[in-house]
Amino acid sequence: SAVISQKPSRDICQRGTSLTIQCQVDSQVTMMFWYRQQPGQSLTLIATANQGSEATYESGFVIDKFPISRPNLTFSTLTVSNLSPEDSSIYLCSVEDEASGGTDTQYFGPGTRLTVL
Amino acid sequence: QKEVEQDPGPLSVPEGAIVSLNCTYSNSAFQYFMWYRQYSRKGPELLMYTYSSGNKEDGRFTAQVDKSSKYISLFIRDSQPSDSATYLCAMSAQSNRLAFGKGNQVVVIP
Repeated sequence: SAVISQKPSRDICQRGTSLTIQCQVDSQVTMMFWYRQQPGQSLTLIATANQGSEATYESGFVIDKFPISRPNLTFSTLTVSNLSPEDSSIYLCSVEDEASGGTDTQYFGPGTRLTVL
Repeated sequence: QKEVEQDPGPLSVPEGAIVSLNCTYSNSAFQYFMWYRQYSRKGPELLMYTYSSGNKEDGRFTAQVDKSSKYISLFIRDSQPSDSATYLCAMSAQSNRLAFGKGNQVVVIP
């Protein structure tokens, strides 16, 4: 399975600022995903990031708030903009297991724990 | 009705007991079913996956899928303190979009 790293692992930010989260994979992957995990809630997909095209956002998430970059097949960033305390959450990136032949299995990074004051 | 329902627990069991977890779902198009284990302050780790109905066994872990009842289960035999974690069910309809349960916190007491 792919090895995924995220930076930073955690951060505390002030209201109104932005945080950019990096996701690095040790192999080339077509699809990368960004999720939010709030306490007591299901993992929620924010967007799907494909190299060479605009990210596809899920209902309730917009590019102005969550801009995403995907410059190559091993790297992506998620920015959480204009932070408010409601953005306090764990943010996770994942990649599809392309070797599995379409089973939709995904592997996750360790997550970034964001606290907004 | 949420797509995937999972009782968040927590569930406490003595070491050596069988842990039984389950999820129900509403979307009959789901055909891939997964269980993830998430330790505190870590990302989810893929534990088991099953295609369509049936059972799958891997060591102490057994995953069951009953598509007719829209019900999936995970059993952990001879539970160990190291099994203490949150277990998330996930499923998809071959669309790259996973639907997750809320997760079930399990505590195995030595």
